[in-house]
Amino acid sequence: SAVISQKPSRDICQRGTSLTIQCQVDSQVTMMFWYRQQPGQSLTLIATANQGSEATYESGFVIDKFPISRPNLTFSTLTVSNMSPEDSSIYLCSAGRDIEMNTEAFFGQGTRLTVV
Amino acid sequence: GDSVTQMEGPVTLSEEAFLTINCTYTATGYPSLFWYVQYPGEGLQLLLKATKADDKGSNKGFEATYRKETTSFHLEKGSVQVSDSAVYFCALKTGANNLFFGTGTRLTVIP
Repeated sequence: SAVISQKPSRDICQRGTSLTIQCQVDSQVTMMFWYRQQPGQSLTLIATANQGSEATYESGFVIDKFPISRPNLTFSTLTVSNMSPEDSSIYLCSAGRDIEMNTEAFFGQGTRLTVV
Repeated sequence: GDSVTQMEGPVTLSEEAFLTINCTYTATGYPSLFWYVQYPGEGLQLLLKATKADDKGSNKGFEATYRKETTSFHLEKGSVQVSDSAVYFCALKTGANNLFFGTGTRLTVIP
């Protein structure tokens, strides 16, 4: 298994500001992802973090709002930019060891963001 | 598109009761199916999985069988414990990247 450390675990931010969330995996992984879990809803994939290149965003998510970095195989950041109350969610980092369809993904504990 | 429909909660059971959480899916192709669990204050972790039709995943007394004919992957446990109180997510994966999750079902087991 892989252990994923995510920080901060929670934060309360003012609207209009930005927050960067860090994700550290304890071993090299092929795939890293960022998910959002809005209150009372399921997890939604924001983007796939690609090492050394631009992230691949899902429909409805854009780089200007959610810039992502992945400088190496074990670390990634997600920034939530120009925040509004609608961005209040849990943000989760996920990682997978390979690209096989039947392999599991590992998750961090999540960052609970409240925008006021 | 691919999606997962999960029984809505919350579910409250007495200790030693039988648990079923329904999960059905829609997918192109042949997905892998997963149940994840999130205990209070912890991250999501894999509970069990099945990668082809008729496979049964099992772990910690929980079971789920991949039913292609009914496109279902219902989670069951014969006798729940207080320590099973958590949120359970059904998920599917059809490609290399994305997991599609259900909305989650919160289970509370009372002594």
